Amino acid sequence: RKEVEQDPGPFNVPEGATVAFNCTYSNSASQSFFWYRQDCRKEPKLLMSVYSSGNEDGRFTAQLNRASQYISLLIRDSKLSDSATYLCVVIPTNTGNQFYFGTGTSLTVIP
Amino acid sequence: EPEVTQTPSHQVTQMGQEVILRCVPISNHLYFYWYRQILGQKVEFLVSFYNNEISEKSEIFDDQFSVERPDGSNFTLKIRSTKLEDSAMYFCASTHGVATEAFFGQGTRLTVV
Repeated sequence: RKEVEQDPGPFNVPEGATVAFNCTYSNSASQSFFWYRQDCRKEPKLLMSVYSSGNEDGRFTAQLNRASQYISLLIRDSKLSDSATYLCVVIPTNTGNQFYFGTGTSLTVIP
Repeated sequence: EPEVTQTPSHQVTQMGQEVILRCVPISNHLYFYWYRQILGQKVEFLVSFYNNEISEKSEIFDDQFSVERPDGSNFTLKIRSTKLEDSAMYFCASTHGVATEAFFGQGTRLTVV
């Protein structure tokens, strides 16, 4: 079973739409969760950490559901510049440092 | 804003040759990593490094790979005898602490011919 699983998409949405991505993880002891954004042939860039209580940063909201072992990312009022691949990242324990990446979900925002 | 820097941005090498990829992590970070991404695939962990030694490594990180922190700023990945399947984007990353946000360099695209 994969450590981190994401729907690869692609998601094609019009500007202004709301879009949500989910990611599931296999290790129930996982402690740290992140969403990264990756543009084509570029490095992953931190979008936001995901906290147990959920967190919001402008148009972006991240939530964690430990019981069901998934994290989500909601993007409101999509912009053309949001087009990218969104990577779910999990660190399985609070003693290890290995980041496990999902395969990424591709988003294209259409004018 | 502090950033992780990597050189070169692109390296072409012949199969069997040795390559060294270089990274300068963020200066107050303590943990350093190498990841790779084969075109069209996910980002894969290679190795983590702390306190001048390897703390974790993956199955990919076999005897052909080695890492070094030769001075106070550089962090290098050496591939001793490159294979065609080593062609990938190699990302260096650093974190301040355990299980904290990682910051990635812009990557080195390695092409083995």
